[in-house]
Amino acid sequence: DAGITQSPRHKVTETGTPVTLRCHQTENHRYMYWYRQDPGHGLRLIHYSYGVKDTDKGEVSDGYSVSRSKTEDFLLTLESATSSQTSVYFCAISVGFRTVNTEAFFGQGTRLTVV
Amino acid sequence: KNEVEQSPQNLTAQEGEFITINCSYSVGISALHWLQQHPGGGIVSLFMLSSGKKKHGRLIATINIQEKHSSLHITASHPRDSAVYICAVQGGDGGSQGNLIFGKGTKLSVKP
Repeated sequence: DAGITQSPRHKVTETGTPVTLRCHQTENHRYMYWYRQDPGHGLRLIHYSYGVKDTDKGEVSDGYSVSRSKTEDFLLTLESATSSQTSVYFCAISVGFRTVNTEAFFGQGTRLTVV
Repeated sequence: KNEVEQSPQNLTAQEGEFITINCSYSVGISALHWLQQHPGGGIVSLFMLSSGKKKHGRLIATINIQEKHSSLHITASHPRDSAVYICAVQGGDGGSQGNLIFGKGTKLSVKP
């Protein structure tokens, strides 16, 4: 199994509080992604990173920010959590999709509930 | 219209049955992925293919680039195959965001 660890695995937080989710990889892959999974939707991209300090927005980036200060860690922050951000969050890594057909590896997911 | 459509959305089968899950897409792609997600679990990559057919054990994936269609087959299905199966495509130009576009998944339940 690819070495991807998400933390925490479960979290309940109150509306308006900041929340940070962590994705840690041991594969030294260049690309890291944060997705959210909601009923009735496929996984949707929030943000992705193509290198240290290099990040870009996905289709549902509003209300989220990310940081990548090291190859192995990709942090997703909800600055002020809202109930609409209740979801299951998945981190994924790959060598890179942009030019190479490569397999993606996913973390176990973080179930976030905003009350 | 979703760029990746899967059918059926839900599928119930008896143990031993042959199962087919379909995926149609509307964009040019460089590769297509089939993923498996067990209840409450993470997502595991089953196949990545850009042409033809691949087989792993009882699982077979095919793709027809001209038809923009892929199928995932499970032979001699077993209750442990119960999961959500997700189709995802990788854009032909790498995608503007360099990422995958996902279908909504097919929930498979195999009864003993």
